[in-house]
Amino acid sequence: QSVLTQPPSVSGAPGQRVTISCTGSSSNIGAGYDVHWYQQLPGTAPKLLIYGNSNRPSGVPDRFSGSKSGTSASLAITGLQAEDEADYYCQSYDSSLSALFGGGTKLTVL
Amino acid sequence: EVQLVESGGGLVQPGGSLRLSCAASGFTFSSYEMNWVRQAPGKGLEWVSYISSSGSTIYYADSVKGRFTISRDNAKNSLYLQMNSLRAEDTAVYYCARAAIRQTAFDIWGQGTMVTVSS
Repeated sequence: QSVLTQPPSVSGAPGQRVTISCTGSSSNIGAGYDVHWYQQLPGTAPKLLIYGNSNRPSGVPDRFSGSKSGTSASLAITGLQAEDEADYYCQSYDSSLSALFGGGTKLTVL
Repeated sequence: EVQLVESGGGLVQPGGSLRLSCAASGFTFSSYEMNWVRQAPGKGLEWVSYISSSGSTIYYADSVKGRFTISRDNAKNSLYLQMNSLRAEDTAVYYCARAAIRQTAFDIWGQGTMVTVSS
């Protein structure tokens, strides 16, 4: 059971918008720690998708966006494409300075 | 090209030991904090350990504390994870991951090395 809670799966049709939530608590996200998001394509290493709650690294399409409010964060993907089908993980820290990952969300493009 | 390459994984019996290595290239290794993250088969990501750029500050997940030791050799651009008293639940792909400058995100990941603990 992960400290950061994500839905196990989400799905959407090509072109649609989907969101993935990441719910923490007052000892991690709510304590002010940044939330980051990673995309893991099948059989590959994770790739940084969003850092510092809402920033995109160079090369990440602007179809991906992140937000944070209170003890939760969200990843939004607009204009869904087949190549977006992957596992998505949120990450933050807690007051013991341990990095935390969400349980992961499998995105299926219908 | 900025790159991290892990090695040292393999099959080990319960109670055994293994040492993982991560070779860094394409960036000034000594300037970056580093981490180990693992992923059990079919499961999610689990942070394992952190080491500061100088090696003076180290943290571990409770699940490996007292059994695993992280270290680095900045002269050799290398990160290590010494794993002792291995258990079946340590079976996973182990990734080394670079912490982004002035950020707590992991911006560069290696391809991973598989560790299987089984008799």
